[in-house]
Amino acid sequence: QQPVQSPQAVILREGEDAVINCSSSKALYSVHWYRQKHGEAPIFLMILLKGGEQKGHDKISASFNEKKQQSSLYLTASQLSYSGTYFCGTDPQSTGGFKTIFGAGTRLFVKA
Amino acid sequence: DAGVIQSPRHEVTEMGQEVTLRCKPISGHNSLFWYRQTMMRGLELLIYFNNNVPIDDSGMPEDRFSAKMPNASFSTLKIQPSEPRDSAVYFCASLVGHSTDTQYFGPGTRLTVL
Repeated sequence: QQPVQSPQAVILREGEDAVINCSSSKALYSVHWYRQKHGEAPIFLMILLKGGEQKGHDKISASFNEKKQQSSLYLTASQLSYSGTYFCGTDPQSTGGFKTIFGAGTRLFVKA
Repeated sequence: DAGVIQSPRHEVTEMGQEVTLRCKPISGHNSLFWYRQTMMRGLELLIYFNNNVPIDDSGMPEDRFSAKMPNASFSTLKIQPSEPRDSAVYFCASLVGHSTDTQYFGPGTRLTVL
C-alpha cells in the first residue's frame, strides 16, 4: 500500500518553514526522502531507520516514529532551491528494506 | 564518477514495437532497480537485482515487460509489444550494498508510445 503524504502541495515565501508528513498502514523497516525537480531524477535526501530517529541535512531534517508508522520532513528557512516535489519512500518490514513504495509526492514551491 | 547512465534519454515508438531501455549502474554498486514514473501512478518499483540476480519482479506490470542484468555493469528493460499506456519515464537506480545505502538515480528515459 502506497504511503500517504500530506499536504499535496504547499507554497512558501523564502525563509518560511514547512513540514511534510508521510504515513504508512504497514510496519516499516525504513523511510527514505527524495526531492525531484521538474524533468530531473529524484535525489536522495536521507534515510531513517529506527523509531524516533531524527536526522538533519543542512536545514532539512526528518523524524521517524516507528510505532505510529509515520515520518515527517522539516524544511526550515526555506530557500528558492528547495522548490520541487518531495517523495517519501517506505520499506515494509517484511521485505527487508529493498522494496521501496513511494508516496504520491508533495509539491513545494518557494517564492521570493 | 559518471553516475548511473541510461539510454536512450527519449524514445518515441509506435504501438506494437519492441522497446529496449538500457542502464549502466555506478561501478561497484551491487543492487540495481528499475522504476516507472507516471502522473497517474507516481513512482513505482518494477524490479530489482542484487549481484545481477533478479530478486523481486512483482512490480513488473505484465508479461510484455522483461528485464535482464547479464553482468554487473549493464541492465536492460524490454517491452514487447509496447502499448500507449506504457508511456512513462523509466528510471534506473543503483546502490552499493545494504538497503540503507543511498540509491542513485539515473536521468531517466522518457518513453512515448503512439
